[in-house]
Amino acid sequence: QQQVKQSPQSLIVQKGGISIINCAYENTAFDYFPWYQQFPGKGPALLIAIRPDVSEKKEGRFTISFNKSAKQFSLHIMDSQPGDSATYFCAASTFWGYQKVTFGTGTKLQVIP
Amino acid sequence: DGGITQSPKYLFRKEGQNVTLSCEQNLNHDAMYWYRQDPGQGLRLIYYSQIVNDFQKGDIAEGYSVSREKKESFPLTVTSAQKNPTAFYLCASIWDRDRHRGEQYFGPGTRLTVT
Repeated sequence: QQQVKQSPQSLIVQKGGISIINCAYENTAFDYFPWYQQFPGKGPALLIAIRPDVSEKKEGRFTISFNKSAKQFSLHIMDSQPGDSATYFCAASTFWGYQKVTFGTGTKLQVIP
Repeated sequence: DGGITQSPKYLFRKEGQNVTLSCEQNLNHDAMYWYRQDPGQGLRLIYYSQIVNDFQKGDIAEGYSVSREKKESFPLTVTSAQKNPTAFYLCASIWDRDRHRGEQYFGPGTRLTVT
C-alpha cells in the first residue's frame, strides 16, 4: 500500500519531442506528489510538485497531470532537450509522525539530438 | 550558500570494516534522512531524525547506525553487519514547516564500494 509504481524504466525521446512518465499509487493518505530530477553522480533535486486537489500543474516545459480517482499522476516534458537527460523519480508523501516520502523506482530519460 | 554536504564523494572499504559517511547541512532544517540508492530500486529510507538526539529506523536499517548530536550533522555508519553495503548513499533534510509537503533537499551523495 506504500508503493509508488513508476513506468517506463527507461525512455528515449528525440529532441523536441514529448517525454511522458507515469506513476500510480494505492495509499489515499498521500497528500503531496513531488517529482525529482537526478543527474548522474548527483543527488536528486525537486523539479515540480502537485497536491491532490489540483488536476494539473505546469512550470515551464514541465507539467504534472493528476488523476485522483485513478490514483495516477504523470510528468510531461514538452520540447524535450538533451539537457533533460536524467533519471526522474516520482514520489508521494504524507505525514506519519514524520514526513514519509515514498519514491518510485525511477525513469532514465535520454533525449537524443 | 545554504545546502547539504556529504563527504567523501567516493569511499572504498574492505569487507568487515565499519565506515562512517558524513552529512552536514546549514539550512537550519530540523529533520534529516539517510537513503540508499541501488539501480532500479529507487530510494530506500535507512534512518531519519526529526530532532537532535532522536532518530528512528527506516525501512532498511539493519546493518546501519546513526547519531544526531547536532542539528547540522547526521552521520551514518555502515557496519560490517550490512550484507550488501556497496551503494550510493544520499542524505536529505526537510524544513519542519514543510513537513506536509514532502519537499526534501538532497546532498550530492557518497558512493561506497566494499570489496
